[in-house]
Amino acid sequence: DAMVIQNPRYQVTQFGKPVTLSCSQTLNHNVMYWYQQKSSQAPKLLFHYYDKDFNNEADTPDNFQSRRPNTSFCFLDIRSPGLGDAAMYLCATSRDRGYEQFFGPGTRLTVL
Amino acid sequence: AQTVTQSQPEMSVQEAETVTLSCTYDTSESNYYLFWYKQPPSRQMILVIRQEAYKQQNATENRFSVNFQKAAKSFSLKISDSQLGDTAMYFCASLEGGGGADGLTFGKGTHLIIQP
Repeated sequence: DAMVIQNPRYQVTQFGKPVTLSCSQTLNHNVMYWYQQKSSQAPKLLFHYYDKDFNNEADTPDNFQSRRPNTSFCFLDIRSPGLGDAAMYLCATSRDRGYEQFFGPGTRLTVL
Repeated sequence: AQTVTQSQPEMSVQEAETVTLSCTYDTSESNYYLFWYKQPPSRQMILVIRQEAYKQQNATENRFSVNFQKAAKSFSLKISDSQLGDTAMYFCASLEGGGGADGLTFGKGTHLIIQP
């Protein structure tokens, strides 16, 4: 009964090599979020989609992009990963603004 | 902008004891929500409890309850009859309502260890 699915669970990439992380949901929620969580730190919001509307956080680097081709799927693209981008990337969904967010298991990204 | 502060990086208690995790927050919004999330080692973040700011009654979910002090901007989590499976990172988080910024603002977390 997985509700928020992230693939892959572990991703290794090389410095500067583009990488795409995937998130899908079976909840039919309007809002999808991407958070970055570095080791021993709190998750930090990168951006979110409210339906098709993209909302970027002011301090999210341009290196990070996102796509939401339909309600169920959302992708995180890192165009040129640096060593500092190694982290756990969490996808979350919520029914609407103000509702609790449901998290996926995360993708742990390693940059060599 | 919202801020969330958790002043206890780590806590350790014996199984079956009661433990309280502290959280303070700051927001200029009158409409907001507060959450406690649990993140076990290498496992996904799950919601423990949710509190709407406009509700005076403290939220309760089985062994988990909160002490919401709105004037003091305090939102502590009490875990009764603690179990080994409660061992995890616990994050306090806030969310603005009213169609504003939609991301959760997290505190730095408290690592809770339940000892057998």
